[in-house]
Amino acid sequence: QVQLQESGPGLVKPSETLSLTCTVSDGSIGDSYWSWIRQPPGKALEWIGFIRFDRNPTYNPSLSSRLTISLETSKNQFSLNLRSMSAADTAVYYCARLGRCSLGHCHPDHWGQGALVTVSS
Amino acid sequence: EIVMTQSPVTLSVSPGERATLSCRASQSVGNNLAWYQQTPGQAPRLLIYDMSTRAPDTPDRFSGSGSGTDFTLTISSLQSEDFAVYYCQQHDKWPRTFGPGTKVDVK
Repeated sequence: QVQLQESGPGLVKPSETLSLTCTVSDGSIGDSYWSWIRQPPGKALEWIGFIRFDRNPTYNPSLSSRLTISLETSKNQFSLNLRSMSAADTAVYYCARLGRCSLGHCHPDHWGQGALVTVSS
Repeated sequence: EIVMTQSPVTLSVSPGERATLSCRASQSVGNNLAWYQQTPGQAPRLLIYDMSTRAPDTPDRFSGSGSGTDFTLTISSLQSEDFAVYYCQQHDKWPRTFGPGTKVDVK
């Protein structure tokens, strides 16, 4: 059973860069798509982007100017860097494997527990 | 970006009763519609994708229907573990977008 675990700071200052890492437990990082999804407190979910080892990452256009998602297969990790953070970026950040695929679309079947990131000075 | 809306905001249902949740897309998404369940403090869980295909661990009391812009999630007989927030999400166009959610609580 694959497990995912987010790690990174719980508090980020405005204008700084958020760096989060997701560690995948079973070494399958080369086999699937991997994604980041976030949820502001009390609000709906928002797709951030996704990546696969043999493809360029795909970013939500609303975040693309500030966003980098990368994969490090040797460490079974993938990462998110979100620049110029503001209060609007306060959210629980989830990493997920897009392992349930059908008709060309892949869906998250395993999730991390989520990491709350607060933007505040 | 495709905007998803859901109704009602809150649905109060007694255990054993049927629950019907609605989801609407701002433009046609074909059958490319998924449903997720989220309980407090937990990550979402994929229930249904491709409008009506249940994920492997989804009980058959959950069913999805609709097409184009209007979709329904039906829970045929609510169990205690089904009281949660349900989100619809279109997977037709990037960025995938979620609805604001429907909370199903105990009547």
